[in-house]
Amino acid sequence: DAGVTQSPTHLIKTRGQQVTLRCSPKSGHDTVSWYQQALGQGPQFIFQYYEEEERQRGNFPDRFSGHQFPNYSSELNVNALLLGDSALYLCASSLPRANYGYTFGSGTRLTVV
Amino acid sequence: DQQVKQNSPSLSVQEGRISILNCDYTNSMFDYFLWYKKYPAEGPTFLISISSIKDKNEDGRFTVFLNKSAKHLSLHIVPSQPGDSAVYFCAASVENYGGSQGNLIFGKGTKLSVKP
Repeated sequence: DAGVTQSPTHLIKTRGQQVTLRCSPKSGHDTVSWYQQALGQGPQFIFQYYEEEERQRGNFPDRFSGHQFPNYSSELNVNALLLGDSALYLCASSLPRANYGYTFGSGTRLTVV
Repeated sequence: DQQVKQNSPSLSVQEGRISILNCDYTNSMFDYFLWYKKYPAEGPTFLISISSIKDKNEDGRFTVFLNKSAKHLSLHIVPSQPGDSAVYFCAASVENYGGSQGNLIFGKGTKLSVKP
């Protein structure tokens, strides 16, 4: 049973560029959340998608946007990259009411230079 | 302002002894608390959780205690094993209107080292 799959695993981008990260949820899960984990910090909630709509959003600027597809997979887009966007981006999937058992992927390490 | 705080960045314990990881929170609206374990180059793995209506939850070697009046929770690992060496994150959440899961608010983590 495949867990949460994220691609790519590592990425280097230049300041000002745009990036797209991808996530395939665990089989049977229909809710996808994205988190940003900066070095030495805990993961911070970016947004959550359910039924192809953004259901919740954390304190992140509009440069961060997302999408969920009919097969429940999701993309995270970041425009006008800043050096401070360098972080590990984690995708987590779940069922809507399943006792908070979020399943996390291994993440995408984004470096902005 | 951090709503979930893990004030100990690291903890070192001898194999076979008890590991106690602590977490404090400020938001009294949190109704669910979780512990995640993270190894390098892997995503966080769910370990154990507790609802705000309980004060203890046990799962094998892992027990989580919740003290709502003190806004404090702790994770006890007994006995500790070298394979438990990882970063442990405390997280909290508020259930959404309609009963769906709220987003997780994480602490900064505590790095546990269990020495053989």
